[in-house]
Order: sequence, then structure tokens, then C-alpha cells
Amino acid sequence: DQQVKQNSPSLSVQEGRISILNCDYTNSMFDYFLWYKKYPAEGPTFLISISSIKDKNEDGRFTVFLNKSAKHLSLHIVPSQPGDSAVYFCAATPDSSYKLIFGSGTRLLVRP
Amino acid sequence: DAGVIQSPRHEVTEMGQEVTLRCKPISGHDYLFWYRQTMMRGLELLIYFNNNVPIDDSGMPEDRFSAKMPNASFSTLKIQPSEPRDSAVYFCASSSVVGLNNEQFFGPGTRLTVL
Repeated sequence: DQQVKQNSPSLSVQEGRISILNCDYTNSMFDYFLWYKKYPAEGPTFLISISSIKDKNEDGRFTVFLNKSAKHLSLHIVPSQPGDSAVYFCAATPDSSYKLIFGSGTRLLVRP
Repeated sequence: DAGVIQSPRHEVTEMGQEVTLRCKPISGHDYLFWYRQTMMRGLELLIYFNNNVPIDDSGMPEDRFSAKMPNASFSTLKIQPSEPRDSAVYFCASSSVVGLNNEQFFGPGTRLTVL
């Protein structure tokens, strides 16, 4: 049973436009959510996070939105750049633990 | 800082052989995590340590897998005997209890192929 789901395996966006990556979760005990970016042959790198007490967190071109009632979060990248092309993983932690549960990832391609 | 260091980067072995993967966490980090990434299961946590003590090994697939952390700067993940279904990319990550955002820092991974 997947507790964190990324239903879109891939997304293609034109450079300069908005990229929206989605993530759904099933466990209401999750209280912290993170997005990681992964390039080929490298480990995932932290991108942005949000606590369950917030509904939005912004860092430059990256914004994460959390809708607790829908158990849904999304990552917005504006404007998208070709260097953003990577696999994006959504992750969640239950009960303020250090245990990350990852989604299956969405491969983003930003076309020049 | 050199980041999390993993060795080897690639390992090819034959079924039945013992495989040992190594990890050096970021200095000062007191949490260490081992993950496995496969096409079928994605990125899954195998085990994690706090101050060199295993805290949660519920993700370790079976007794063929074992992990140790003899000191704060070194950890190993051992598979004995290895099987073709163990082929995957294994990541080590570390974090600090006082770090922001529950952020974990990942190493580059070890790509394991069991023939």
C-alpha cells in the first residue's frame, strides 16, 4: 500500500511556463512534507518542505501548497527552466520522526 | 564539506556472493539512513541509525540483509548471499537532529547488479 502517491510519472513543460507536480497521501499522521529533486547518477537533493501547520511555503521559483483536507500537496515551479529537468520525489514523515516515505517520482522535462 | 560518501559507486557480482556497501556520513550528523531504489518499489527506507544505534530496521527485506554502524563516521550494508532481485541503487543519507526541515543529505548511490 502506497502511502505517498505521485500519479503522474512524467510531465513536459515549455521553458518559462509553470510546472505543477502533484502528490497525494493517505496517512493523516503525516506532519511534514518534503520535495526532493534527483538528477541521473546522483542522489536526491532537498528542494523545499512544508509543515502540516502551514498551507504554503515559498522559496524563490518554488512554492509548495498543502491541502490537508484533501491530503494533497503540489509543487509549483515558476518560471520553469531547462535545468529543472529531473525526477521530483514527494516525501512525508509521520509523527515528526526522521523516517521519510517517498512517492514514486515524477520526471519533469522542461523544453527550451 | 565532502557530503555523504558511498563506495563503491558500481558493483557487479554473481548470485550467492557477499556484497558490502559502505557509507561515510557528513561529519556531525547523528542520523544515518539506508535506502534502496528499484523500478518496482521506488525509493524505500531499509534502516536508519541514530547515534550509531539502529532505530528502525522494518524496511530490511530479509535476513540476508544486515547493516552496521561501528562509529559515527562509517556504516556498512551487507547482503549475504546476494540474489538477482537485490539489483538496485542503494543510497545512504545522513541528517542532523538540529538540522532544518528534516532534510536528509543523500550520497551518490551504489548501483548493484547481481548476475
